[in-house]
Amino acid sequence: DGGITQSPKYLFRKEGQNVTLSCEQNLNHDAMYWYRQDPGQGLRLIYYSQIVNDFQKGDIAEGYSVSREKKESFPLTVTSAQKNPTAFYLCASSGRLSQPQHFGDGTRLSIL
Amino acid sequence: DAKTTQPPSMDCAEGRAANLPCNHSTISGNEYVYWYRQIHSQGPQYIIHGLKNNETNEMASLIITEDRKSSTLILPHATLRDTAVYYCIVRVVDFNKFYFGSGTKLNVKP
Repeated sequence: DGGITQSPKYLFRKEGQNVTLSCEQNLNHDAMYWYRQDPGQGLRLIYYSQIVNDFQKGDIAEGYSVSREKKESFPLTVTSAQKNPTAFYLCASSGRLSQPQHFGDGTRLSIL
Repeated sequence: DAKTTQPPSMDCAEGRAANLPCNHSTISGNEYVYWYRQIHSQGPQYIIHGLKNNETNEMASLIITEDRKSSTLILPHATLRDTAVYYCIVRVVDFNKFYFGSGTKLNVKP
């Protein structure tokens, strides 16, 4: 089945450590997105990419980095500069024009 | 800036229609309105979208006002499984970017 796979489902980070969240899609979508969701809050855009080898900062990009070397993959690195990384992270993708956005099942990141 | 405004919560009796409003007064001509819902700790699920005409699918109906400044998502016969947070989203087609609203927590009660 076509869809978006996020891994791992749960992730723990130690102080000063960088961690990378995986996002893979087999929908042949050009655009991919990363969102952060804090408890009881809505989704906030971290980064998005409209095409391979190109990406733009969203509303809360500080402390995060991304790459888009392949159409299918859009990994997110939470760096040690992100002082409050505990949250639910959601990856999404969309095709062109009016096609809806599809979401993965999310990764829950916690601090040890 | 916020692109959409939704009430924080609503109640609905099981079996009745749920009408969820969304205000998008600054919407421009090339922006679509999308609706998603999110059940706790899962990824958002797509429901429906539209540009200016009313739309209906197997899950819901979308009513967009003539001036496009607001819309209403209608779940015709709400069930307990429809309890979720519903997000109204405006999409800037030119930049392929989605703006999420704050969402409405719909509580369907028996």
